[in-house]
Amino acid sequence: DIQMTQSPSSLSASVGDRVTITCRASQSISSYLNWYQQKPGKVPKPLIYTASSLQSGVPSRFSGSGSGTDFTLTISSLQPEDFATYYCQQSHSPPFTFGPGTRVEIK
Amino acid sequence: QLQLQESGPGLVRPSETLSLTCTVSGGSISSHSYFWSWIRQPPGKGLEWIGSVYYTGNTYYSPSFKSRVTISVDTSKNQFSLKLNSVTAADTAVYYCARRWIAVAEEDHFDSWGQGTLVTVSP
Repeated sequence: DIQMTQSPSSLSASVGDRVTITCRASQSISSYLNWYQQKPGKVPKPLIYTASSLQSGVPSRFSGSGSGTDFTLTISSLQPEDFATYYCQQSHSPPFTFGPGTRVEIK
Repeated sequence: QLQLQESGPGLVRPSETLSLTCTVSGGSISSHSYFWSWIRQPPGKGLEWIGSVYYTGNTYYSPSFKSRVTISVDTSKNQFSLKLNSVTAADTAVYYCARRWIAVAEEDHFDSWGQGTLVTVSP
């Protein structure tokens, strides 16, 4: 199985801050990397697929990059509605594993 | 607009079988472009993929569940289902059904999710 790790596990940031979350795969997954946002008590929402493609309707302040084993999700200017937990997920090969999540909290 | 809706018992006894159904509306489950999946999330924890089914009935499962899971599809009802045998308290979770886009290999991702249903395993 491909193991996914994320760092940090949580962070505190202020509105307007630039936020970067890192995801690492235990082996190369090319660009088969997706990001999801989940707010408390809500359904995970797809944000980015194929490492850097923005899902329809997702604000352009979200961006993704990386390939191989190292990936990044960046929020260029954090907004109040962005406080949530973010998960990466590999779609290179089953089982389709998720990272443990990064919780973004208000400073 | 596509909607997925999970249904089934919210309480299951230990050692029994958890059974859930996902009803798809606003789109056909028989599309060539999607697999249909189950994902779960224990309270306060992360997301775990259980398995997926194609409209033809082809399935594949996570090794973590393979010995006790069955996912099936009913195209006439536009539904797919999950059965998980021999449940324990560790199977208590919110269970989501989700659509997985596969038409372009590199774009493979879960693009639409149901609202989720909490299943508690307790005597």
